Amino acid sequence: DAGVIQSPRHEVTEMGQEVTLRCKPISGHDYLFWYRQTMMRGLELLIYFNNNVPIDDSGMPEDRFSAKMPNASFSTLKIQPSEPRDSAVYFCASKTWGQGGSETQYFGPGTRLLVL
Amino acid sequence: AQSVTQLDSHVSVSEGTPVLLRCNYSSSYSPSLFWYVQHPNKGLQLLLKYTSAATLVKGINGFEAEFKKSETSFHLTKPSAHMSDAAEYFCVVSDQTGANNLFFGTGTRLTVIP
Repeated sequence: DAGVIQSPRHEVTEMGQEVTLRCKPISGHDYLFWYRQTMMRGLELLIYFNNNVPIDDSGMPEDRFSAKMPNASFSTLKIQPSEPRDSAVYFCASKTWGQGGSETQYFGPGTRLLVL
Repeated sequence: AQSVTQLDSHVSVSEGTPVLLRCNYSSSYSPSLFWYVQHPNKGLQLLLKYTSAATLVKGINGFEAEFKKSETSFHLTKPSAHMSDAAEYFCVVSDQTGANNLFFGTGTRLTVIP
């Protein structure tokens, strides 16, 4: 299994530009999570999906952030317009319930975003 | 409300000596607890988890943790540190067994001295 795949791994953009982060969860996983990691706030849950449906987006910082999951194998996190304070590492994670499933979330390698 | 407190932001040990990374939790429910490790510029890898089974949990790479309800602690230990153990370690609690909201500690950076 390739694990959770995120792209790009690094993104440098200028303030005001649109940024799109991508995630492919582990095949068969029906939960997908987006997290943000900063020095000031640590790791924070932004939003999570179950069966492609957003369940809890209370962690999304503001309307500039949006996330979609058009199918079971792909999700995007979009920031429009981006601001320097959005600079962080963004992680995607996935998990499943069912036989052998558990609370364990499996994390991708992250996207390191720098907004100038 | 759920939260975790990692008591040390930085721990430094010599190679071959024991490792102790401390974690205390607060939970309204019978918690699920995890330890994740993050190597530099890498994602988070699960070391071990506690989900109301055995209180002593063994994980990968020789790590283990003991759930102590009376002390609300879930400290991570390893008998002998390796250079490859140098990383950031996160103690994590979920809001209830099987639920999806994870609450991360602030992390403990482990340095291993040759």
